[in-house]
Amino acid sequence: DVKVTQSSRYLVKRTGEKVFLECVQDMDHENMFWYRQDPGLGLRLIYFSYDVKMKEKGDIPEGYSVSREKKERFSLILESASTNQTSMYLCASSSGDREAFFGQGTRLTVV
Amino acid sequence: AQSVTQPDIHITVSEGASLELRCNYSYGATPYLFWYVQSPGQGLQLLLKYFSGDTLVQGIKGFEAEFKRSQSSFNLRKPSVHWSDAAEYFCAVAPGYSSASKIIFGSGTRLSIRP
Repeated sequence: DVKVTQSSRYLVKRTGEKVFLECVQDMDHENMFWYRQDPGLGLRLIYFSYDVKMKEKGDIPEGYSVSREKKERFSLILESASTNQTSMYLCASSSGDREAFFGQGTRLTVV
Repeated sequence: AQSVTQPDIHITVSEGASLELRCNYSYGATPYLFWYVQSPGQGLQLLLKYFSGDTLVQGIKGFEAEFKRSQSSFNLRKPSVHWSDAAEYFCAVAPGYSSASKIIFGSGTRLSIRP
């Protein structure tokens, strides 16, 4: 069974903390994505990566950075967490047919 | 830039009634098109996808979608809904010219089922 695993289901962090969200896929996919999901706004792309060490900004990259040192792992970093980054974060991966496989999500609360 | 519009935020239909969820996309060439479903508390699951060939695509759970190039639409349909279809539905688009490309999602349509 194909799998995208996000390291945490729930996280509570304080304002100003540096936050790491980790995602691992076992399908040898080239592409990996980070989205945030908010009610009424759907899934908004933060960053995506099409190869190791390669990344491109999505629609809402401000306040975030990413790291992809190995093909199977894609990390999202909140440099200094703020309350407006409280959200559900979804990681996904895809190959040439563009079908995205999603993790279960990380619900992040910044207090 | 590519974009996806789902004009209906929330739809309520009676159990057994037919369903159509609308999706319009903005993209120059023929894109890959997808419908995903997210049941309450669950992850996103692919219902169906289209890139080429027959413009009427069959998916899982009895869903189908029709690609209409002239209208830039990819509407999702089901002839008879079940209470278990209550969920949020997302349309998505990805460029056809390169596999190293972003996948853009719409804002979603929440489907409620009236008993």
